Amino acid sequence: QSALTQPASVSGSPGQSITISCTGTSSDVGGYYYVSWYQHHPGKAPKLIIYDVNNRPSGVSNRFSGSKSGNTASLSISGLQAEDEADYYCSSYTSSSAHYVFGTGSKVTVL
Amino acid sequence: QVHLVESGGGVVQPGGSLRLSCAAAGFSFSSYTMHWVRQAPVKGLNWVAIISSDGGNKYYADSVRGRFTISRDNSKSTLYLQMDSLRAEDTAVYYCARVLSDSSWHTFDYWGQGTLVTVSS
Repeated sequence: QSALTQPASVSGSPGQSITISCTGTSSDVGGYYYVSWYQHHPGKAPKLIIYDVNNRPSGVSNRFSGSKSGNTASLSISGLQAEDEADYYCSSYTSSSAHYVFGTGSKVTVL
Repeated sequence: QVHLVESGGGVVQPGGSLRLSCAAAGFSFSSYTMHWVRQAPVKGLNWVAIISSDGGNKYYADSVRGRFTISRDNSKSTLYLQMDSLRAEDTAVYYCARVLSDSSWHTFDYWGQGTLVTVSS
């Protein structure tokens, strides 16, 4: 089972909006509404920011939103802030023997 | 406040064994399915294993099946990962994570800060 494909890096200026893509197959992203997104500041615990494609856990800023089209899911961050600088990972359930698969990760830089 | 704290990491020689622990607090541990996820140096996250709330169902990534064993002690609110026949490629930070709910095993809603395992001679 290969990892889901994400861009290695995405950048934007404060206040701007960015989008991170997460491309899989019909066995994972495309086949289920089970895509989640995690924010990870190195050395800290990863944080759930989106689940089931477009749901935000309580306490997560509404600047984060998710969507999906076919085999590609997307995470959008609006009103970019310095604190958003982190690594972001998507994940999905997969019907393969791998059960759960993560994306390759995207480093977000706030210019 | 959900709190997960991993321990047990360290340096081990190839072929050796190590047991990781994850102490849980702030929620009813016995009601939640739990995962182990790892991150190799300068790499992304990789799912390792999952165990149901009662310990009756366990699943593993292909890369660790037959070498790693996930278990739990609900009386101690603790999750374990027994790692045998360790290889250099098992070097990683190991995280325990809780599922969002019993119908959302695919969502990891709380994570620990991880424990580092280094397999090296």
